[in-house]
Amino acid sequence: DAKTTQPPSMDCAEGRAANLPCNHSTISGNEYVYWYRQIHSQGPQYIIHGLKNNETNEMASLIITEDRKSSTLILPHATLRDTAVYYCIVRVTTSGTYKYIFGTGTRLKVLA
Amino acid sequence: GAGVSQSPSNKVTEKGKDVELRCDPISGHTALYWYRQSLGQGLEFLIYFQGNSAPDKSGLPSDRFSAERTGGSVSTLTIQRTQQEDSAVYLCASSLDSGRWETQYFGPGTRLLVL
Repeated sequence: DAKTTQPPSMDCAEGRAANLPCNHSTISGNEYVYWYRQIHSQGPQYIIHGLKNNETNEMASLIITEDRKSSTLILPHATLRDTAVYYCIVRVTTSGTYKYIFGTGTRLKVLA
Repeated sequence: GAGVSQSPSNKVTEKGKDVELRCDPISGHTALYWYRQSLGQGLEFLIYFQGNSAPDKSGLPSDRFSAERTGGSVSTLTIQRTQQEDSAVYLCASSLDSGRWETQYFGPGTRLLVL
């Protein structure tokens, strides 16, 4: 199974871009990368996902390297409310069934 | 409409006892997911159902864990002979189908404490 590796913690100044890296060097060609976050004591919140191409939505951008061995989640203008644990997840697909491999998460602290 | 509900919200049990955790998904959602979050730890995917079928049970932590879903609705996660390391928050979520994992709605979780 593909595995993801994330730094345990990062700080970011409010208003600046937060760049959260994820390594998934064993990822296979049909395995998607997802990002979720969990704000303290709340349920997980979906952010973005992608396969090969870079993706952008109203929350964030996802940059996937050409070899797909790593990706970066970008929060373009971090606010204090973005302080959370961010999970990089790989969806493994086998014979049409799914399995979700969670990274250990990066605790992002946005500083005023 | 009602969201995903889980019961009980809190459960304290003694080591060696069996426990059942229940999840009621959003009506019409065919996919249902179970996760575990141990204290101070990250999220761990356990199992998912499409309809009443769980295609892959390899994410369950041990053979003491089992899950079933009936009528395409309610699901039960059963832990037999509980151990202290089973203490965690167990989260359930549902989505319209398993191809839309990103649209899942989470329940409030069941906090399990094994003494």
